[in-house]
Amino acid sequence: DADVTQTPRNRITKTGKRIMLECSQTKGHDRMYWYRQDPGLGLRLIYYSFDVKDINKGEISDGYSVSRQAQAKFSLSLESAIPNQTALYFCATSDTRDRVNTGELFFGEGSRLTVL
Amino acid sequence: AQSVAQPEDQVNVAEGNPLTVKCTYSVSGNPYLFWYVQYPNRGLQFLLKYITGDNLVKGSYGFEAEFNKSQTSFHLKKPSALVSDSALYFCAVRDMYNNDMRFGAGTRLTVKP
Repeated sequence: DADVTQTPRNRITKTGKRIMLECSQTKGHDRMYWYRQDPGLGLRLIYYSFDVKDINKGEISDGYSVSRQAQAKFSLSLESAIPNQTALYFCATSDTRDRVNTGELFFGEGSRLTVL
Repeated sequence: AQSVAQPEDQVNVAEGNPLTVKCTYSVSGNPYLFWYVQYPNRGLQFLLKYITGDNLVKGSYGFEAEFNKSQTSFHLKKPSALVSDSALYFCAVRDMYNNDMRFGAGTRLTVKP
């Protein structure tokens, strides 16, 4: 089983609909992230969470919200989806409790979202 | 904020030839530098990182990267490319005070038999 699991893997929806992407991890890491990947733009950070009570905005948080339900779960919501939110979304984790806090990220397999 | 530039969208090499994928960065303070690889329909996988110490770092699958502070570069290299190395490669940087990791736009490596 994957250490970082994202659901759904693929989703097609319509403009204006509410969408939730879920991420769960079994790595025991404290930090979790949501990134968006667009061709030619690389990965851009949407939100990140240092622990259950700590949520931080990334580069492109507008139009998104997140919830850290538990240390192992971090969900991303699009309250009213629009076509330019069509992208590949990645959840990632990192462990800052190791002796050298290098912030290496561990990624899920991605959730492809299409907004029509 | 820190940033990364990957100047080549695409790199093509013949199998058995050496490969280089270029990366330059901008960061205040000391950089933590990373290379990740993405195969089709998969998430990103960590290849290697530079934190401190020897400027030449070795990673997975025979890849290595050289940190050059004066040129603010961290180019990925491999002495002999394999067809199976064909993938999308991302360089990333964070500074030692900020957990916000920034990624480059990616370079698609194609290795032809």
